[in-house]
Amino acid sequence: DIQMTQFPSSLSASVGDRVTFTCRASQTISMFLNWYQQKPGKAPKLLIYGASNLQSGVPSRFSGSGSGTDFTLTINGLQPEDYATYYCQQSSSSPRTFGQGTKVEIK
Amino acid sequence: QVQLVQSGADVKKPGASVKVSCKASGYTFSNYDINWVRQATGQGLEWMGWMNPDSGDTGYAQKFQGRVTMTTNTSIGSAYLDLSGLTSEDTAVYYCARGRGGGSYDYFGMDVWGQGTTVIVSS
Repeated sequence: DIQMTQFPSSLSASVGDRVTFTCRASQTISMFLNWYQQKPGKAPKLLIYGASNLQSGVPSRFSGSGSGTDFTLTINGLQPEDYATYYCQQSSSSPRTFGQGTKVEIK
Repeated sequence: QVQLVQSGADVKKPGASVKVSCKASGYTFSNYDINWVRQATGQGLEWMGWMNPDSGDTGYAQKFQGRVTMTTNTSIGSAYLDLSGLTSEDTAVYYCARGRGGGSYDYFGMDVWGQGTTVIVSS
């Protein structure tokens, strides 16, 4: 199985900050990497697919990059509604595996 | 609009089985896979498996092999997750999510999610 590792596991940031977090795959997954946002008590929401493609309706302050084994999600200008947990997930092969998540908290 | 609507919360005793349903609307049900993902309280997301409604093909995570069954009823656009031999470790929120690619690669991710079904296993 492909292991997905996210870091940091949590971070504190202020409104307006530029925030970047990382996801690393245990083997190459090309560009088959997706990012999800989850708020407490809610289902995950797809933000980025194919490593760098913005899902319809997602604000442009979110962006993704990377290929192979190393990927990043960036939020340019953190907004109050962005405080949540973010998960990466590989869709290169089965089983589809998720990272353990990065929780973004208010500073 | 495109949505997945899941069945309500359930409480089961250890050793029992649970069946969770997921009804699709707003899109052609047979054109997409249904994935099942669960989340224990305070924990991360755990992928359980997928099913293609058109072919009937399934793929299950090794951890659940032997006690999970995923089915669909294409005539009514619904997917089902059956999990048997429940223990307290199965207490979680279970989500269905639309996807593609089956057991191969999927470029587009899981783009539509159900609202989640809480399953509590307790004696």
